Amino acid sequence: KAGVTQTPRYLIKTRGQQVTLSCSPISGHRSVSWYQQTPGQGLQFLFEYFSETQRNKGNFPGRFSGRQFSNSRSEMNVSTLELGDSALYLCASSVGTDHNQPQHFGDGTRLSIL
Amino acid sequence: AQTVTQSQPEMSVQEAETVTLSCTYDTSESDYYLFWYKQPPSRQMILVIRQEAYKQQNATENRFSVNFQKAAKSFSLKISDSQLGDAAMYFCAYYGKTDKLIFGTGTRLQVFP
Repeated sequence: KAGVTQTPRYLIKTRGQQVTLSCSPISGHRSVSWYQQTPGQGLQFLFEYFSETQRNKGNFPGRFSGRQFSNSRSEMNVSTLELGDSALYLCASSVGTDHNQPQHFGDGTRLSIL
Repeated sequence: AQTVTQSQPEMSVQEAETVTLSCTYDTSESDYYLFWYKQPPSRQMILVIRQEAYKQQNATENRFSVNFQKAAKSFSLKISDSQLGDAAMYFCAYYGKTDKLIFGTGTRLQVFP
């Protein structure tokens, strides 16, 4: 069974641009969560999607948005990029929203803002 | 709000020895899950072990076991017979009613031959 796939693996952008990151969950998984990992703030929850609906949201500005498609694939968009958005963005999928379902992570997308 | 604290930024262990990584958390909830994730240089977060708060028995997965002390809000990870491949960042995480994983700051484990 293929794991969680995130593309691209690396991305370089400049301030003010926007970016879209993609996440394909494990087959059969319907919940997708996104996390931002930085040396200063650690791992922080961005949002969770289930059945194409945003189910939960972390404390990030509105420049961070996402969506989920009918095949459970998810995209995350960041607009008007800032230097502080440089981070590793991790996607995780789980079968459902039950607390008993562990999350499986992808390799992440390393986003660098110049 | 729930918080997770890992007080050891770095730990080291010799191959074949045993090491224990500490984690404490703060919550007012009674029903929750605790996890240990491993993040090697390859970046992928790998689930090592999980514990359900309502279960008193400590979880075990091969060489990995936890010491779960609910009253003390402590959740330490013991790695027995350490191997070079165990070298990684280890994150303790809490999952409760907020429906999101709350991570600690991580412990970098080095394994020496």
